[in-house]
Amino acid sequence: QMQLVQSGAEVKKPGASVKVSCKASGYTLRHHYMHWVRQAPGQGLEWMGIFNPSGGSPVYSQKFQGRVTMTGDTSTSTVYMELSSLRSDDTAVYYCARDSSGGWFDLWGQGTLVTVSS
Amino acid sequence: DIQMTQSPSSLSAYVGDRVTITCRAGQSINTSLNWYQQKSGKAPKLLIYIASTLQKGVPSRFSGSGSGTDFTLTISGLQPEDFATYSCQQSHSSPWTFGQGTKVEVK
Repeated sequence: QMQLVQSGAEVKKPGASVKVSCKASGYTLRHHYMHWVRQAPGQGLEWMGIFNPSGGSPVYSQKFQGRVTMTGDTSTSTVYMELSSLRSDDTAVYYCARDSSGGWFDLWGQGTLVTVSS
Repeated sequence: DIQMTQSPSSLSAYVGDRVTITCRAGQSINTSLNWYQQKSGKAPKLLIYIASTLQKGVPSRFSGSGSGTDFTLTISGLQPEDFATYSCQQSHSSPWTFGQGTKVEVK
């Protein structure tokens, strides 16, 4: 069955970077764009950016421009999201979510909790 | 950015009730509106896309309507497994944006 499996929880200090992975199975990674969405504790969903596994430049939310990098490896069917210069308000669950090809997210990873604390 | 506003932010209902959640976009998004269900500690799940198309496997008690700026999600006959948070999302233009969520609780 189709699924996205993300890497495990991380604890980081302010100023550090974190890299979250998302491995796709059950479908061909390069056939669908991948989004990253985060959710701070008790808050709503926040879109971070979109990555095209077939190539081309990612598109990032202006809020994260300069701090986020999305990459992928089609040989391992894995996409990555790296967020740098972490602050306490980056503490959140980070999700990868597959684009259906229509702009809605039809398959989600299980989420990765990133905690930023000194 | 297109702002998405949901109402109410929370509601209490009985099993069997008909529940309606509203989502308003800050500008016209035609029918580029999608709905998700999220249970505590879990990833969101797609329910409805393009305003009114039910995702495969989603029970028919869920329905969506609307176009332009005003949209609704209706649950006809609330079931115990439907108590969750519901969020709308616009796919009209980047950056994709979500509503703040509506929590449906047991009355």
